[in-house]
Amino acid sequence: AQSVTQLDSQVPVFEEAPVELRCNYSSSVSVYLFWYVQYPNQGLQLLLKYLSGSTLVKGINGFEAEFNKSQTSFHLRKPSVHISDTAEYFCAVSDLPSNTGKLIFGQGTTLQVKP
Amino acid sequence: SQTIHQWPATLVQPVGSPLSLECTVEGTSNPNLYWYRQAAGRGLQLLFYSVGIGQISSEVPQNLSASRPQDRQFILSSKKLLLSDSGFYLCAWSVRGRETQYFGPGTRLLVL
Repeated sequence: AQSVTQLDSQVPVFEEAPVELRCNYSSSVSVYLFWYVQYPNQGLQLLLKYLSGSTLVKGINGFEAEFNKSQTSFHLRKPSVHISDTAEYFCAVSDLPSNTGKLIFGQGTTLQVKP
Repeated sequence: SQTIHQWPATLVQPVGSPLSLECTVEGTSNPNLYWYRQAAGRGLQLLFYSVGIGQISSEVPQNLSASRPQDRQFILSSKKLLLSDSGFYLCAWSVRGRETQYFGPGTRLLVL
């Protein structure tokens, strides 16, 4: 069965500092990988996704993630964070091919950007 | 462009009362539809998904049910709410056979 582990429940960081949010997954088949962001009291917004090809994926708001198959990881990074990046971040995995398109989510990481 | 709506945005209900949350999608046809619950301080739990009208798959046994009476309408219901049903309910859609899900704004449910 697939699973996703987000290794940090909370990540405090100062504004303009770099940040890395860690995500590991387990799956016996090829997968698609996603990062979503959730601002307070809102739905989830897609940050980026890995489907195939280049292992370095660039997303919105200056975020990027690197797929590492040997380490089964998909860590999210940003070189310089802003106060507005304060939010909950979710890593997710989807098996393929699948008509259902189901996603398995990690427990989330709260990014707290301090001035 | 496609949009997804959920209502109500917030709801406070007494224990034992019924529930009906609605989700509708515009600008697409034959979407896959999903209901998730997000309890306080926890991740997202997939409750139901649907690949077509009248086709509902339940992921976890619970006090809730789902229905899809129309192609782009997905309803989450309960006959008698429990305290443990409190949470943030998210509806999502995807193009059938495609990998990306798009989420609605959510409904915050508080059962007292």
